Amino acid sequence: DAGVTQSPTHLIKTRGQQVTLRCSPKSGHDTVSWYQQALGQGPQFIFQYYEEEERQRGNFPDRFSGHQFPNYSSELNVNALLLGDSALYLCASSPGGMNTEAFFGQGTRLTVV
Amino acid sequence: KQEVTQIPAALSVPEGENLVLNCSFTDSAIYNLQWFRQDPGKGLTSLLLIQSSQREQTSGRLNASLDKSSGRSTLYIAASQPGDSATYLCAADPAGSNYQLIWGAGTKLIIKP
Repeated sequence: DAGVTQSPTHLIKTRGQQVTLRCSPKSGHDTVSWYQQALGQGPQFIFQYYEEEERQRGNFPDRFSGHQFPNYSSELNVNALLLGDSALYLCASSPGGMNTEAFFGQGTRLTVV
Repeated sequence: KQEVTQIPAALSVPEGENLVLNCSFTDSAIYNLQWFRQDPGKGLTSLLLIQSSQREQTSGRLNASLDKSSGRSTLYIAASQPGDSATYLCAADPAGSNYQLIWGAGTKLIIKP
């Protein structure tokens, strides 16, 4: 079992550009959540996808959007990048439903210059 | 609104010591509480998950306890080793229709050889 995999591992983008981050969940998991982690802080919830629909969204602007595919993999898209979007982006997968254990990928380090 | 706090923010101890990391939460209505380890610039590794009905969980030299009535969880590390140096984060899974984990900011642990 490969666990949760994210790509790319590192990315440098220019302010105003758009970026797409990818996540493949752990085998058997159908739910994917995305988090943003700034340096020295705990992760902040962006949104969660289940059955190809956005199930819940955190306090992030519409520049942040996502998608889940029929194979449960997911993408996070960020438009009109700002310097403040520089962070570690974490993907977590879990089985569907409440009260389940979340497993995280290694993250994508996004730097906006 | 659930809030999670971890104190201290940083801790430095000599190798071999037993130590306790603290996690406090404001709302006892949780499904579970998870402890994670994060190495610098890396993703999150799940260490222990304690269900709300449980008092503690053990894995090797790690023991996590949960006291919902006082809103506290502790992570006990026995016979600490330099390889234990990392940031340790706790996350509460709120009961109800909220799918996001609520995170502490972490405790950065340094084990001195």
